[in-house]
Amino acid sequence: GDSVTQMEGPVTLSEEAFLTINCTYTATGYPSLFWYVQYPGEGLQLLLKATKADDKGSNKGFEATYRKETTSFHLEKGSVQVSDSAVYFCALSDRSNTGKLIFGQGTTLQVKP
Amino acid sequence: NAGVTQTPKFQVLKTGQSMTLQCAQDMNHNSMYWYRQDPGMGLRLIYYSASEGTTDKGEVPNGYNVSRLNKREFSLRLESAAPSQTSVYFCASTSPGTRNTEAFFGQGTRLTVV
Repeated sequence: GDSVTQMEGPVTLSEEAFLTINCTYTATGYPSLFWYVQYPGEGLQLLLKATKADDKGSNKGFEATYRKETTSFHLEKGSVQVSDSAVYFCALSDRSNTGKLIFGQGTTLQVKP
Repeated sequence: NAGVTQTPKFQVLKTGQSMTLQCAQDMNHNSMYWYRQDPGMGLRLIYYSASEGTTDKGEVPNGYNVSRLNKREFSLRLESAAPSQTSVYFCASTSPGTRNTEAFFGQGTRLTVV
């Protein structure tokens, strides 16, 4: 079945460092891909998404490109801030139109001043 | 604009007790979902409802029942709680089938079964 694999965490960075969180997926067909973020004590919220190959999603300085050839959707940010400390989830939604999401394990990011 | 509202936020149950987690959304979404979040496992789908009056099993439905009461409300029931059901539960809603599909999540219910 479909699955998502994220890099293990936690990830600890200093403020203004470059961030990469790796995400790869296995799916039949052409899923939509998402990054969700969970701030402490809150629910998940959509960070960015891409719906077809070579699409780039971006939001709040974060970017991810849908790479069909490597089945990847890595999250990047050029300069992280303390406020970016959160848990990041990569997810996919298949083409069944049910809206069901399959999530990766989540990666905890801690940014230190 | 409340979005997705879950109650309660925290709950402690004894093994064998029952309870219902409530979820309501005010965005007129057709589809609603219950996920559980466990350390190192991400979120896993328990049940979902594609529309009012329909429900379907997700990846981990055993030990749970659901009711789609109306378009706004989708409840999750544990009939006889077990320690393995200790988790954080999230309700979500969306209207799939559009290019801008986004799932909206509640703040979660942290359930401990002792």
